[in-house]
Amino acid sequence: AQTVTQSQPEMSVQEAETVTLSCTYDTSESDYYLFWYKQPPSRQMILVIRQEAYKQQNATENRFSVNFQKAAKSFSLKISDSQLGDAAMYFCAYRIYGGATNKLIFGTGTLLAVQP
Amino acid sequence: GAVVSQHPSRVICKSGTSVKIECRSLDFQATTMFWYRQFPKQSLMLMATSNEGSKATYEQGVEKDKFLINHASLTLSTLTVTSAHPEDSSFYICSAIVGVLNTEAFFGQGTRLTVV
Repeated sequence: AQTVTQSQPEMSVQEAETVTLSCTYDTSESDYYLFWYKQPPSRQMILVIRQEAYKQQNATENRFSVNFQKAAKSFSLKISDSQLGDAAMYFCAYRIYGGATNKLIFGTGTLLAVQP
Repeated sequence: GAVVSQHPSRVICKSGTSVKIECRSLDFQATTMFWYRQFPKQSLMLMATSNEGSKATYEQGVEKDKFLINHASLTLSTLTVTSAHPEDSSFYICSAIVGVLNTEAFFGQGTRLTVV
């Protein structure tokens, strides 16, 4: 079974500093997608960044970047120049599709606080 | 970006009654929709995956007779909680994807269900 684990229930970062959120996953598949989603207090899910497993290059979106280590099944999110608006719950997610399987599974989440 | 509208945003029902939650893709055709349940400060737990025109695939431990999912069209999926009990109180979120290979999932605003 596919599982996604986030080992940091809570993290804190000073404004303008950098923080890294960890995520590991377990799968026997070779083709899949990985995502980081942000859930602010409104509870609306917002896509932060995505990574295709077949791509070796790490994805980057402005202040957000990932460190994708396929062999280690690790997918961490780095937030640079943290802003107050980055405070939210962050979920790592894994998507598999193919044949009869089509799932989007979320990790346990990391609550990020940004200190002014 | 694509918009997914979920209705109602909040609902209170009496024990033993049924409640229906709608999830609509407003500007695209959703071939797949996911339904999640989220407890306070916890992750999104995948309940089921529904593909248009076919029966939903339920995750292990989710009662299909309790949580009825209908994906009758490419723009509408419904989740009906039957014979609701207080333990069914939770936050329910739907998510929609265009096509099997499309990577991005779009989320509804969620429904807060309270069973009294």
